[in-house]
Amino acid sequence: KAGVTQTPRYLIKTRGQQVTLSCSPISGHRSVSWYQQTPGQGLQFLFEYFSETQRNKGNFPGRFSGRQFSNSRSEMNVSTLELGDSALYLCASSLGQGSLAGQAFFGQGTRLTVV
Amino acid sequence: AQSVSQHNHHVILSEAASLELGCNYSYGGTVNLFWYVQYPGQHLQLLLKYFSGDPLVKGIKGFEAEFIKSKFSFNLRKPSVQWSDTAEYFCAVNAMTGANNLFFGTGTRLTVIP
Repeated sequence: KAGVTQTPRYLIKTRGQQVTLSCSPISGHRSVSWYQQTPGQGLQFLFEYFSETQRNKGNFPGRFSGRQFSNSRSEMNVSTLELGDSALYLCASSLGQGSLAGQAFFGQGTRLTVV
Repeated sequence: AQSVSQHNHHVILSEAASLELGCNYSYGGTVNLFWYVQYPGQHLQLLLKYFSGDPLVKGIKGFEAEFIKSKFSFNLRKPSVQWSDTAEYFCAVNAMTGANNLFFGTGTRLTVIP
């Protein structure tokens, strides 16, 4: 069974630009969550999509947005990039619901550098 | 607001030493608990999980964790570490509100010296 695939693996962007990251979850998983990982803040939850609907959102500005397609693939967009957006962005795929909620399978991440 | 605390930021052990990494969370409701591991250059992997039942759970590679509800703790243990256990370890909590989002601790870097 293929794991979670994130593309691209590395990105370098200039301040003010926008960027789109992509995530393909494990086949059959309808939940996709996004996290930002930085040395200073650790792993922080951005948002979760389930069956094409945003189900939960973390405490990030509106410049961070996402969507999910009918095949469960998800994209994350960051507009008007700032230097502080430099981070590893992780996508997590989940099958669990209800009592099994939270068990996630992570992708390798996309390393975004804003210069 | 929910939070997860990992008290040890960096732990250095010799091979065969015993390991215990602390994790405390703040949330009054029912939770699911996880330990994830990130080996150098690799993605986050699930080490073990607690959903319900026996508070002592066993995971991969000889790791185990004990959920103590009264202490809001979920400490990770291993009786004898190996050099290959060198990694960063993250404790995570899901508040069981119906969504899958996790609150992570800041992580503990474990270095095992051969």
